Amino acid sequence: SQTIHQWPATLVQPVGSPLSLECTVEGTSNPNLYWYRQAAGRGLQLLFYSVGIGQISSEVPQNLSASRPQDRQFILSSKKLLLSDSGFYLCAWSRGDQPQHFGDGTRLSIL
Amino acid sequence: KQEVTQIPAALSVPEGENLVLNCSFTDSAIYNLQWFRQDPGKGLTSLLLIQSSQREQTSGRLNASLDKSSGRSTLYIAASQPGDSATYLCALQGGRRALTFGSGTRLQVQP
Repeated sequence: SQTIHQWPATLVQPVGSPLSLECTVEGTSNPNLYWYRQAAGRGLQLLFYSVGIGQISSEVPQNLSASRPQDRQFILSSKKLLLSDSGFYLCAWSRGDQPQHFGDGTRLSIL
Repeated sequence: KQEVTQIPAALSVPEGENLVLNCSFTDSAIYNLQWFRQDPGKGLTSLLLIQSSQREQTSGRLNASLDKSSGRSTLYIAASQPGDSATYLCALQGGRRALTFGSGTRLQVQP
């Protein structure tokens, strides 16, 4: 069966520090991968999606970037975090038009 | 640009009541519509997926309908239980393969 892992589960970082959140999928190949953010009091917003290794599409201009170094690995990064980067970050995967499956999320707090 | 609206934003009902959650969307060119459940501080659990060509899907006490012509979907929960308390999210998959989410309905079922 397929599983998706996100880590860390929670993270507290100072403003201006770098960020690296990792997401891996097991049990499938060539999945579509997604990063979403859920800010306090707001809905889920798509940040990035990827249909293959090295193929990243960005949905909103921001302080973040994404990379897909391997087929089932998706990384969300920042060189210098802002207060506005705080939120709940969710990774998801899908195949074709099948349902998207979400990880347990990373709660990021910026101090 | 797809816009998804969920009404009501919050709902509190006594245990055993049947209830309906509403979702409306502006662009009917969709691949599918998904209903998710999110418990506080947790990731998303997929409840039901309705393909573009379908009218409804059922799973246990849950029934979701889709009317593309009017841009509406409803999630019907029969015989609600305290364990149903969560935020329910409606999401549409369009040409970008990524999901556009509504802001959710926060449901509280009182024992």
